[in-house]
Parts: sequence; C-alpha cells; structure tokens
Amino acid sequence: DIVMTQSPDSLAVSLGERATINCKSSHSILYRSNNHDYLAWYQQKPGHPPKLLIYWASTRESGVPDRFSGSGSGTDFTLTISSLQAEDVAVYYCQQYYSSPHNFGQGTRLEI
Amino acid sequence: QITLKDSGPTLVKPTQTLTLTCAFSGFSLTTPGEGVGWFRQAPGKAPEWLALIYWDDDNRYSPSLKNRLTVSKDNSKNRVILRMTNVDPLDTATYYCAHAGNSYDHWGQGALVTVSS
Repeated sequence: DIVMTQSPDSLAVSLGERATINCKSSHSILYRSNNHDYLAWYQQKPGHPPKLLIYWASTRESGVPDRFSGSGSGTDFTLTISSLQAEDVAVYYCQQYYSSPHNFGQGTRLEI
Repeated sequence: QITLKDSGPTLVKPTQTLTLTCAFSGFSLTTPGEGVGWFRQAPGKAPEWLALIYWDDDNRYSPSLKNRLTVSKDNSKNRVILRMTNVDPLDTATYYCAHAGNSYDHWGQGALVTVSS
C-alpha cells in the first residue's frame, strides 16, 4: 500500500495570507507513460462530502477558485492557497489514485 | 451533470450484512473508463477508500476489508451496490460513493450507518 502523510496536522493563517499544506507519498505516484502524478487534493467542510479541488497534482477542477494551486511530482506535493478567505476554513486531504487502495493523507485542519 | 445518491440502513446489528446503494445519473457504467468508488469516514477521521468498480467489472477492494466486501453494478438501473458482511461497531461511519473520473470528482451526500445491538 502507498502511505500518504500530510504536514502540518493543523494550520492557522490570517485572512489574505498564504496557506501551504504538504503531502508525501511512500512511493512515487508518477505514471511515466503519461507523465501524470496521480495525486488529488480535496476540501471537506463539516457535514459535507469531500470536494475535489486539484487532480493530476496541479490541475484545478472546474469552478475551483484560482487562489488554490497544486505543485510537486513523484513523492512530494504541495497545496497552496494564495490569499486565504473565510470560506476556506476546512479540512484538506491529499489522496493518491495511482494504485489501489487509493489512500488519503490524515488531513490538515485549516483555521483562521 | 453527474449526480450520485448513496443510501442504506441507518442502524445495523453486529454480525449482520450491510447493503448500501449508489444511484447515479449523468454517466453510464457501460462506457469505457467509467467507475464508481466507495468510501467511509468515521467521525473526526480521514476518508477510507473501500472499493472501486469499473465499467468492465474490474473490481478493486481494500486489502484490510477484502474478505467482507462485494461490489456489483446494475447497468439497467444505473446503480452500484456495496455489501459488507459481519459488521462490527467499528464499521460505524458515513459511507460515500463517488464517480471515478479525474480522481473522484463527484460524490454522494453520504449515508450514516450505525452498528449497534
């Protein structure tokens, strides 16, 4: 199994400031035949299912604000929120979908 | 647009079999490349991937739950069924199905299942 580890577990950022969340996989999740990293980022608010923000490590899902961006390749990845808004308070998860089981990281709680 | 609705019993007794249904629209599981995944999430915990069924009946299961899970599909009704045998109070969670497109891009609203005698 591929283990996903996020850091930090929680993060407090002021409104308008940058938030950075890291995710590390125990094995490379780069599929060389198509040069895609099989890494997704989700946002989850209480009482709601996870919402896909980023796939292929850096491609924003339709409708996701451009303050959200993903970067990294291989085993190390980052989600950046460039200017934190009040509605961004949530728990954020990374997930690999390179090989089953499609494990998630433990989550990062983002607060203001 | 793609929508999914996960449903099932709210209360199940230990040792019983849990059956969950995912009714979906906006895509077909007869189309190559399509899939539906199942997840669960205990309160305060990260989501846990359980299973995935593809259009070609290629099924994948969580290794830790493989012996207890069966996923199947009914193409005529656009439904996916997840069965979990011999449930335990530790299986208490919200269960979700999701469309397997660009990772998991559309999710059901979740079905809260409590396992208790």
